[in-house]
Amino acid sequence: ETGVTQTPRHLVMGMTNKKSLKCEQHLGHNAMYWYKQSAKKPLELMFVYSLEERVENNSVPSRFSPECPNSSHLFLHLHTLQPEDSALYLCASSQGASAEDNEQFFGPGTRLTVL
Amino acid sequence: SQKIEQNSEALNIQEGKTATLTCNYTNYSPAYLQWYRQDPGRGPVFLLLIRENEKEKRKERLKVTFDTTLKQSLFHITASQPADSATYLCALLTDSNYQLIWGAGTKLIIKP
Repeated sequence: ETGVTQTPRHLVMGMTNKKSLKCEQHLGHNAMYWYKQSAKKPLELMFVYSLEERVENNSVPSRFSPECPNSSHLFLHLHTLQPEDSALYLCASSQGASAEDNEQFFGPGTRLTVL
Repeated sequence: SQKIEQNSEALNIQEGKTATLTCNYTNYSPAYLQWYRQDPGRGPVFLLLIRENEKEKRKERLKVTFDTTLKQSLFHITASQPADSATYLCALLTDSNYQLIWGAGTKLIIKP
């Protein structure tokens, strides 16, 4: 397995469910990101981890909870989501989080539908 | 307010011609500007990075320019092919903030 992988690729959940998205990078990178992508809108950065520490949380609602157990794995725990949270959730990694190292490698995304 | 603008309408280009996409920004002083390609159902793929002190960058059939006076980057694909059809995203990075700030992307369609 190479690059950045994400599971599941598709997820349908009710508003009362709890689910988790998983991301794994095989590139030896030190920074990982969660993005939300809605149709016709720019990528919205949700969370940034650098060396397993969260360095940025862009005012994301608490119903989204990230976890970074090591530099290769990133999770996004979901609970009591709203229909407007339906979107493509993308994971990315980069060598570092500083400007010079910020070429980002993306996974294929998880298409989330909240009913 | 800070804003990045890319043409929201799809760009239709005849195969073999040069495709030019535009990225305009306001109220930023980016140190770097990146271009990505995104195909349907997939994550973006990095193409090129250009620094504020570089006017132009090339990679095979791709060329990027960066005009900090006009606050604009142009992305060119020469000898375009149907396989170049995709959505192209620009993203800025400032020295003071290591987060990429993204445009919404322009859909490029190359017609045979």
